[in-house]
Amino acid sequence: GENVEQHPSTLSVQEGDSAVIKCTYSDSASNYFPWYKQELGKRPQLIIDIRSNVGEKKDQRIAVTLNKTAKHFSLHITETQPEDSAVYFCAASSARQLTFGSGTQLTVLP
Amino acid sequence: NAGVTQTPKFQVLKTGQSMTLQCAQDMNHEYMSWYRQDPGMGLRLIHYSVGAGITDQGEVPNGYNVSRSTTEDFPLRLLSAAPSQTSVYFCASSYGEGTYEQYFGPGTRLTVT
Repeated sequence: GENVEQHPSTLSVQEGDSAVIKCTYSDSASNYFPWYKQELGKRPQLIIDIRSNVGEKKDQRIAVTLNKTAKHFSLHITETQPEDSAVYFCAASSARQLTFGSGTQLTVLP
Repeated sequence: NAGVTQTPKFQVLKTGQSMTLQCAQDMNHEYMSWYRQDPGMGLRLIHYSVGAGITDQGEVPNGYNVSRSTTEDFPLRLLSAAPSQTSVYFCASSYGEGTYEQYFGPGTRLTVT
C-alpha cells in the first residue's frame, strides 16, 4: 500500500518568515495530494490540494509543489502569522484510500 | 447543513466492553470513512464505504466493524474494547472516493481502561 513520510515533525518560525513542510510518497499511482490543517482540539480541514497533472498551485500565502518523478510534494507558507500555528498533515491517494503523513507541528513565534 | 456529526464526543470503556460510535452526514456524500488519530502517527484509515451496502477495510481494521445501510449513516462498532483502541476517532465524508476533499466530523475521544 501507499506510504507517506512527512518532515519535519516540528517546525518553529518567526512571524513573517516562511515555512516549508515536505512529504514523500511510495505509490507511483497516487494522483491526489491534499494538505490538512488541524488546530488543537479541532477537526482536520483541507487548506489546499494538488493533482498529479499540475506541478504547482497557489492560494494567497499558501502554495504546494509536486515532483512526480521524485515522488515528493511540499507545502509553502509565506508571511507566517500566529494563526498559522497548528498541525499540518499531507496525504496521498490513488483511488479509494487516502494515506496521511504523521504531521508537522508548526509554531509561529511572535 | 450540519455537515458531518459524531456522537458521543467522549467515551470511557472498560476492557472487553463493546460500543458503537455514530456518524451521520447530510451532504448526500457517497463516500464515508473512519480514521483513528494517535499522537505522532497521523490519521490512519480503519474502514470506508463507497455507498450504501458497500464497505471495505482500510489500514487498521482489526477490532472494528462497520455497516452502511443508508447514505447518511456510517456507524463504527468496537467489538471488544482493548486499551490499544484508546484514540481519537474521526468520521469523514466526501463527494467521491479518496481523491476528493474529505469533510471531517468533530471527533470522538475514546479511552479504554
